Amino acid sequence: DFVMTQSPDSLAVSLGERATISCKSSQSLLYSSNNKNYLAWYQQKPGQPPKLLIYWAFTRESGVPDRFSGSGSGTDFTLTISSLQAEDVAIYYCQQYYTAVGTFGQGTKVEIK
Amino acid sequence: QVQLVQSGAEVKKPGSSVRVSCKTSGGTFNSYAISWVRQAPGQGLEYMGGIISRSDTTKYAGKFQGRVTITADESTRTAYMELTSLRSDDAAVYYCAMGGFGNYESGPYPHHIDFWGQGTLVTVSS
Repeated sequence: DFVMTQSPDSLAVSLGERATISCKSSQSLLYSSNNKNYLAWYQQKPGQPPKLLIYWAFTRESGVPDRFSGSGSGTDFTLTISSLQAEDVAIYYCQQYYTAVGTFGQGTKVEIK
Repeated sequence: QVQLVQSGAEVKKPGSSVRVSCKTSGGTFNSYAISWVRQAPGQGLEYMGGIISRSDTTKYAGKFQGRVTITADESTRTAYMELTSLRSDDAAVYYCAMGGFGNYESGPYPHHIDFWGQGTLVTVSS
């Protein structure tokens, strides 16, 4: 099984500052045939379903502000919010879809300091 | 614009079954994979399984194997998730979700999730 581990579990960042979330996979998510990493990031606000932010590790979903960026390859990935805004307070999840049954990280809660 | 509308909240007794529906609109139904993800109160997201109706392929997470059945009716653009032998720890919000899929040597696999339903709260209580 692919185990996805995020860190930290929570972080508090001042408005306008950078927030960085790590996601590590127990196995590589890089598919050699197409050189793509099968990793997505989602944002979930209270009482709402998750929202897709990033897919293929670094491709931003249409309409997602460019302060959100994804990076990494293989087993180590990062979601960066370059300048935290009040509306970014949420829980963020990574998900691998390298296998037929995708698995999520445990989530990282982002708050305002 | 793809939309997913799920059936309403359910209250079930332990040992019973629940069936949640997910009616879709917009897009081409069999061009997507439909996944089911649940979220227990205050907890994270848990992938249960998915179906790719074009190839009639279903995959389930090992934890739910034997208890969950996911089906899709292309004629009504509706997907279903049935969970049997309910326990108290099955109480959760159940989401249906849609995304693309790829074809690989070992079969079709769902990709990232583009669209989500509003969620269905399932309460399990005697």
